Amino acid sequence: AQKVTQAQTEISVVEKEDVTLDCVYETRDTTYYLFWYKQPPSGELVFLIRRNSFDEQNEISGRYSWNFQKSTSSFNFTITASQVVDSAVYFCALSEAISGGYNKLIFGAGTRLAVHP
Amino acid sequence: DVKVTQSSRYLVKRTGEKVFLECVQDMDHENMFWYRQDPGLGLRLIYFSYDVKMKEKGDIPEGYSVSREKKERFSLILESASTNQTSMYLCASRGPKGVEQYFGPGTRLTVT
Repeated sequence: AQKVTQAQTEISVVEKEDVTLDCVYETRDTTYYLFWYKQPPSGELVFLIRRNSFDEQNEISGRYSWNFQKSTSSFNFTITASQVVDSAVYFCALSEAISGGYNKLIFGAGTRLAVHP
Repeated sequence: DVKVTQSSRYLVKRTGEKVFLECVQDMDHENMFWYRQDPGLGLRLIYFSYDVKMKEKGDIPEGYSVSREKKERFSLILESASTNQTSMYLCASRGPKGVEQYFGPGTRLTVT
């Protein structure tokens, strides 16, 4: 069965520290997508990144970077020089193909990141 | 920018009441989704709709129904609310060529 595991339930860091959020997935599909979403205290999930299973290049966007490794079925997220505004719950998700050509998202349990001044 | 709105941020209902949660998106998206979010469980799919008047069960449809009469609106219905339906409910939409879903702000429902 498709599954996403975020083993870190909560992480607490001090501002300016680097922090890595782990995501491990299981899938039978050969083509799939992986995602990261951020959920700040306001509640709305904010889309951060999408990764195609055929593209293993790491990606950097400002202080955010993502490391996708098919060999270990991992899609880890690193925040460099963390800031208080990074405090949120972060979700990793995997697309699962379902009947009719559609797909749905399988979410991990989420990692709550607290960045203290 | 995609905008997904939900009718209420907070809702308190009594056991046995019929509850309607409304979701509206303004990007002409075909696909819409309802999830519930519970601590330690992440988001779980309740129902989704890939077009007007079409609906499909997700992973946890029991106790819920949905309605999609117009493309922009997707309603989640709790026919007879129970305390185990106390949760955060999130609506999302996705366009025909998109893969990522765009979420609304969520409705925190408490059933007493």
